[in-house]
Amino acid sequence: QKEVEQDPGPLSVPEGAIVSLNCTYSNSAFQYFMWYRQYSRKGPELLMYTYSSGNKEDGRFTAQVDKSSKYISLFIRDSQPSDSATYLCAMSSNTGNQFYFGTGTSLTVIP
Amino acid sequence: DAGVTQSPTHLIKTRGQQVTLRCSPKSGHDTVSWYQQALGQGPQFIFQYYEEEERQRGNFPDRFSGHQFPNYSSELNVNALLLGDSALYLCASSGRTHLYYGYTFGSGTRLTVV
Repeated sequence: QKEVEQDPGPLSVPEGAIVSLNCTYSNSAFQYFMWYRQYSRKGPELLMYTYSSGNKEDGRFTAQVDKSSKYISLFIRDSQPSDSATYLCAMSSNTGNQFYFGTGTSLTVIP
Repeated sequence: DAGVTQSPTHLIKTRGQQVTLRCSPKSGHDTVSWYQQALGQGPQFIFQYYEEEERQRGNFPDRFSGHQFPNYSSELNVNALLLGDSALYLCASSGRTHLYYGYTFGSGTRLTVV
């Protein structure tokens, strides 16, 4: 079983739609949860960072962590064509320096 | 403020050869991590360097080695290249006090082994 599972998609939505991206994980030691956006031929760019359980909002983006279910989500409101990219979830334990990534979900927002 | 710089951008090598990839961290960052990203996959942790020493290593064979210099820049060396080593190699830098959310990635080096 992989440490982190993520549906690779692809996901295609019309402009303005609400997008929901999800990851599940198996390691209960994970405390830090991140979402990265990766455009084609570029490195990942940090979007959201959350420690432990709870919600965090930043503009059109909301990250949720449910440690009891080992499930994290990223919601994108009012999606824009510029949001078209691959979205990677990543997580790490309290003492570890290694990040564990999901496989990424490819998102296309159609104008 | 320059971010993480990686060189070269692209590289083609023959199976069995050796390769060296280079990374300059973001200004103010002293920790460098290397990741391998195969096509259609998420990045996989190779190792992390801090104070010129390997601090943590992922599940990669000894063919993968690294080095960090006093100016915090780093090299990734891969010996006896295999076709399966073809991937995007990402360097990420961070500062000690912002290890988790101060992780900045470079654009990567795309290595093709033929």
